Amino acid sequence: NAGVMQNPRHLVRRRGQEARLRCSPMKGHSHVYWYRQLPEEGLKFMVYLQKENIIDESGMPKERFSAEFPKEGPSILRIQQVVRGDSAAYFCASSPPRVLNTEAFFGQGTRLTVV
Amino acid sequence: SQKIEQNSEALNIQEGKTATLTCNYTNYSPAYLQWYRQDPGRGPVFLLLIRENEKEKRKERLKVTFDTTLKQSLFHITASQPADSATYLCALLQNTGNQFYFGTGTSLTVIP
Repeated sequence: NAGVMQNPRHLVRRRGQEARLRCSPMKGHSHVYWYRQLPEEGLKFMVYLQKENIIDESGMPKERFSAEFPKEGPSILRIQQVVRGDSAAYFCASSPPRVLNTEAFFGQGTRLTVV
Repeated sequence: SQKIEQNSEALNIQEGKTATLTCNYTNYSPAYLQWYRQDPGRGPVFLLLIRENEKEKRKERLKVTFDTTLKQSLFHITASQPADSATYLCALLQNTGNQFYFGTGTSLTVIP
């Protein structure tokens, strides 16, 4: 059973370009979470999704950021018109349908660098 | 405001000693609290989970306590080894929540 797969591992974008980060959850997991981590900081929650449904996006910036988890395929975190402040490690986690009494399984992250 | 605070400074201990890490939270009502390990350049890895009605949990050399009155969890690594060197994160899930809230982490270095 493969773990949570994120790609790419490293992404470099120029200011103003779009960044697309992909996350394939573990098999059988229908819940996906996205977190952002800045150097020397903790994981900041961004969004929680189930298949075809955004459950909680309270941590998402109001502009330029969007996320989806389609019926088929990976979850996508999309950042439009990137700025230097978007440079960070973005982690995806997944969990089984019953979210309580369980842990989140994390991917290895995508390190976004905006130049 | 809601806060999850961990040891603000890095922790250095001698091999073989017990490492104790703290996690204090404010304005949360956690259903349970978890501890994760994160190595540089890697994603967090789950270690232990403790529920709100549990006082203590053990797993091999790891022990977690949870005091909902003090709003604090302690994480112990006994007989520490250099391989235990990493950043340790606490996370909690609220009774009414959908997401895991993470602390800033504590960097642990075990000196041979």
